[in-house]
Amino acid sequence: DAKTTQPTSMDCAEGRAANLPCNHSTISGNEYVYWYRQIHSQGPQYIIHGLKNNETNEMASLIITEDRKSSTLILPHATLRDTAVYYCIVGDNQGGKLIFGQGTELSVKP
Amino acid sequence: GAGVSQSPSNKVTEKGKDVELRCDPISGHTALYWYRQSLGQGLEFLIYFQGNSAPDKSGLPSDRFSAERTGGSVSTLTIQRTQQEDSAVYLCASSSLGRSGETQYFGPGTRLLVL
Repeated sequence: DAKTTQPTSMDCAEGRAANLPCNHSTISGNEYVYWYRQIHSQGPQYIIHGLKNNETNEMASLIITEDRKSSTLILPHATLRDTAVYYCIVGDNQGGKLIFGQGTELSVKP
Repeated sequence: GAGVSQSPSNKVTEKGKDVELRCDPISGHTALYWYRQSLGQGLEFLIYFQGNSAPDKSGLPSDRFSAERTGGSVSTLTIQRTQQEDSAVYLCASSSLGRSGETQYFGPGTRLLVL
């Protein structure tokens, strides 16, 4: 079973920041938090991952709480092309397989 | 580009037939994963390869499903005596070493329809 819980869906206005929450209260100390997204009819696309510290790349920022029990993915200026299902995943340490949950369906609206 | 490729992109078959799905990982990646996504469902892990060996086959749904990898590169997922419930998108991913903290790169998937 997935170790994360996410809202089923969210809306965001184009140009605004999209903040996607994720709860992972049972995460263990050496497990990573990964974010992937899947645009309709495409394979999943890696966004970002982190262990303890906040992370930022060209796509997004990842904010992890100090107790590591939750995190937030931030898309700073959402565009229509960011409409997708966003998956928050806690990494399995045995070979790195990903256990996907149902994800959050983000709709960016003009 | 040098991404993960899969073939065929679409496959329609009749119930009871065997199918083979192919995955070409990113060159040099030692870890390879197969997942599947049924209509309206999330992504489900099937099997993981480290080199040519498969230390984790825990996600294969039945003994009709098998996979192999040769030369540490190309992998083939075989489904024997296909059933309608096998209809899904089969996704392949690869990563450099198969360790936690690595990025998995996904291919576009093979859409399988069993009639």
